[in-house]
Amino acid sequence: AQTIHQWPVAEIKAVGSPLSLGCTIKGKSSPNLYWYWQATGGTLQQLFYSITVGQVESVVQLNLSASRPKDDQFILSTEKLLLSHSGFYLCAWREDTQYFGPGTRLLVL
Amino acid sequence: EQQVQQSPASLVLQEAENAELQCSFSIFTNQVQWFYQRPGGRLVSLLYNPSGTKQSGRLTSTTVIKERRSSLHISSSQITDSGTYLCAMLSNYNVLYFGSGTKLTVEP
Repeated sequence: AQTIHQWPVAEIKAVGSPLSLGCTIKGKSSPNLYWYWQATGGTLQQLFYSITVGQVESVVQLNLSASRPKDDQFILSTEKLLLSHSGFYLCAWREDTQYFGPGTRLLVL
Repeated sequence: EQQVQQSPASLVLQEAENAELQCSFSIFTNQVQWFYQRPGGRLVSLLYNPSGTKQSGRLTSTTVIKERRSSLHISSSQITDSGTYLCAMLSNYNVLYFGSGTKLTVEP
């Protein structure tokens, strides 16, 4: 069975500090991987997707970047956090339907 | 522009009542999914329904692609059904658009 893990579970960071969020999927080779973001009380938005190692497509510009260094790993990062980056970040993979990880809750102060 | 519209925004039911949630989309899609978002945020896939009617337990989804709409029927609601229900559609560009959700509260 496939499992998807995200780390960290939660973060409190200062404005202007760097950020790295990770996602790993086990039990699935060459998955299509996705990053989503949800502001508190807001609508889920797709940020990035990747269909293969080294290839990432951006969907929404939020001063974030993503990388896919390994087949089973997807990284979301920024060098300088903004207050508007606060929210809930979800990683997912897709076959017919999307399967989501548990998420990372980020608070930027 | 909101690609996916959901209604109602919130719904309060008495236990055992049925619920009907609606979703409409502004662009063509051939993949519609329904999710349940737990209070902690985690998403659970409920039904993948590109067209027609699909059922899973007490949940029934009906999608009419030509009319760009989908519905989710929850029968015999239970208190544990409380939470937020999200509709999502997949665009031709590998982007999944979500609606803003229906918050369901089931009371005893």
